[in-house]
Amino acid sequence: KAGVTQTPRYLIKTRGQQVTLSCSPISGHRSVSWYQQTPGQGLQFLFEYFSETQRNKGNFPGRFSGRQFSNSRSEMNVSTLELGDSALYLCASSPEGPGTGLGELFFGEGSRLTVL
Amino acid sequence: AQSVSQHNHHVILSEAASLELGCNYSYGGTVNLFWYVQYPGQHLQLLLKYFSGDPLVKGIKGFEAEFIKSKFSFNLRKPSVQWSDTAEYFCAVGTYNQGGKLIFGQGTELSVKP
Repeated sequence: KAGVTQTPRYLIKTRGQQVTLSCSPISGHRSVSWYQQTPGQGLQFLFEYFSETQRNKGNFPGRFSGRQFSNSRSEMNVSTLELGDSALYLCASSPEGPGTGLGELFFGEGSRLTVL
Repeated sequence: AQSVSQHNHHVILSEAASLELGCNYSYGGTVNLFWYVQYPGQHLQLLLKYFSGDPLVKGIKGFEAEFIKSKFSFNLRKPSVQWSDTAEYFCAVGTYNQGGKLIFGQGTELSVKP
């Protein structure tokens, strides 16, 4: 079974630009979560999507947004990039549906964003 | 708000030494607990998890963790570490009604000297 796939793996942007990151979950997984990983802040939850609906949202500004498609693939977008947005963005998928408890998260290798 | 605290930022051990990494969380309700590991250059992988039942859980590669509800702790242990255990270890907490949201600790970097 293929794992969680994230694209692109590496990208460099300049301040003010926007970026879109993509995530393909494990086949059959309907929940997709996004995390930001930085040396200073560790892993911070961005948002989670289940069946195309945002189910949870972390404490990030509105510049960070996401969506999920009918095939469970997900994208996240960051607009008006700032230097502090440089980070590893991790996507994770899970088979669990609402009300069934939290199952294991399967992580992708991440998209490393550098903002200059 | 929920939070997770890992006591050690960087631990250095020699091979065959015993390991215990501390993890405490703050949340009054029912929790699911996880330890994830990130080997150099690799993605986060699940080491072990606790949902309910026996508070002593065993994971991959000889790791185990004990959930002590009264202490809000979920410490990770391994009796004898190997050089290949060099990695960063993350404790994480999830609650029943929060789906894919996990709160992670800051991580503990483990360096094992051969």
